[in-house]
Amino acid sequence: QVQLAQSGAEVKKPGASVKVSCKASGYTFTSYGISWVRQAPGQGLEWMGWISTYDGDTKYAQKFQGRVTMTTDTPTSTAYMELSSLRSDDTAVYYCARNVLEWISYSYNCYMDVWGKGTTVTVSS
Amino acid sequence: QSVLTQPPSVSAAPGQKVTISCSGGSSNIGNNYVSWYQQLPGTAPKLLIYETNKRPSGIPDRFSGSKSGTSATLGITGLQTGDEADYYCGAWDTSLSAGVFGGGTKLTVL
Repeated sequence: QVQLAQSGAEVKKPGASVKVSCKASGYTFTSYGISWVRQAPGQGLEWMGWISTYDGDTKYAQKFQGRVTMTTDTPTSTAYMELSSLRSDDTAVYYCARNVLEWISYSYNCYMDVWGKGTTVTVSS
Repeated sequence: QSVLTQPPSVSAAPGQKVTISCSGGSSNIGNNYVSWYQQLPGTAPKLLIYETNKRPSGIPDRFSGSKSGTSATLGITGLQTGDEADYYCGAWDTSLSAGVFGGGTKLTVL
């Protein structure tokens, strides 16, 4: 079945970087993009960015520009999200999601149909 | 502050119907498709509605989506206690060139 398996929980100090992985299975990896979404404790969903698994094109939320890097490794069907210069307010659960992003009938169609279980990142001194 | 605006909470009795609104603008809901997600406590979000009004396989027809202008609505009929969850709307924002979510609505089934 279609699955996204994420790497385990991380504890980092302020100023450090974290790299979370997301291994896809059960479908053709390069047929769908991957988005990363985070959720701080008790808060809502926050879209961080999207990567095309076909050509590596990326779109990042302005808030994370310069601090986030999304990459993929096609042979292993794995997507990565690296966040640098970590702060305490980066403490959150980070989700990867299979993302359809397409232009149809003069409109953008964007939705996330398969989600990983999430990776908890704790930033604390 | 989320780009899309949802009510923080809604409630209704079992068996009743509830609607959750999602308000945006012309750069997102007004000209693009809307999606809806259900997040049960302690779990990852789950896609409920895509392309504004389509249900993925396995989602019961108790769940429906619609849009009018720059606002979208999620409808849930025949409420069950198992529907208690947080619900999020989402869309692509053409001006931001980014995905955007609503702040989420907590549904309580009394």
